[in-house]
Amino acid sequence: EAGVAQSPRYKIIEKRQSVAFWCNPISGHATLYWYQQILGQGPKLLIQFQNNGVVDDSQLPKDRFSAERLKGVDSTLKIQPAKLEDSAVYLCASSRTGGLLQPQHFGDGTRLSIL
Amino acid sequence: AQSVSQHNHHVILSEAASLELGCNYSYGGTVNLFWYVQYPGQHLQLLLKYFSGDPLVKGIKGFEAEFIKSKFSFNLRKPSVQWSDTAEYFCAVGSNTGNQFYFGTGTSLTVIP
Repeated sequence: EAGVAQSPRYKIIEKRQSVAFWCNPISGHATLYWYQQILGQGPKLLIQFQNNGVVDDSQLPKDRFSAERLKGVDSTLKIQPAKLEDSAVYLCASSRTGGLLQPQHFGDGTRLSIL
Repeated sequence: AQSVSQHNHHVILSEAASLELGCNYSYGGTVNLFWYVQYPGQHLQLLLKYFSGDPLVKGIKGFEAEFIKSKFSFNLRKPSVQWSDTAEYFCAVGSNTGNQFYFGTGTSLTVIP
């Protein structure tokens, strides 16, 4: 089966600019996750979708980050405006059914650098 | 709040050596434990998981992990490592409600042929 697709692979922007990341999960996977991985740290869960509804976004900095999954398939994560501390790899993952206890399938991530 | 500690940041072993990577967690309720692996140039993938039952769980590629509740630990082991085991290893813990999930900081393993 095709894996989780993410784009772009790399993005460089200046602080205060906006940026968006796109994720296409594995076909048939109902649950989609966005993680932030800062250099030297493990991935941090930002938001979890079940179909097109948000299950949990308690760790999403909502003053600048937003995410949507309008049709229950693709998802976008946006940062507006970006800060220097947002430099990280943004990972998307999906699982077949609901819940973080199911095996998660990860994409290759988008590496974001803020100048 | 939950937390996961991986005390070994970088481990270097020769082929055929035995491996043990430490993982300790902090959580007040029932937990579910995972090890994920990221090989060079590849994405994160599940190595093994523990939900309940036998505390010794076996995963892919000869890896196993033991859940010791009294020590809040879930260490990863392999009796004889290969060069192809070179990777970043992440321990993770999930709440029983399934809406909280935390990764450790990872351990980089380098196996020298």
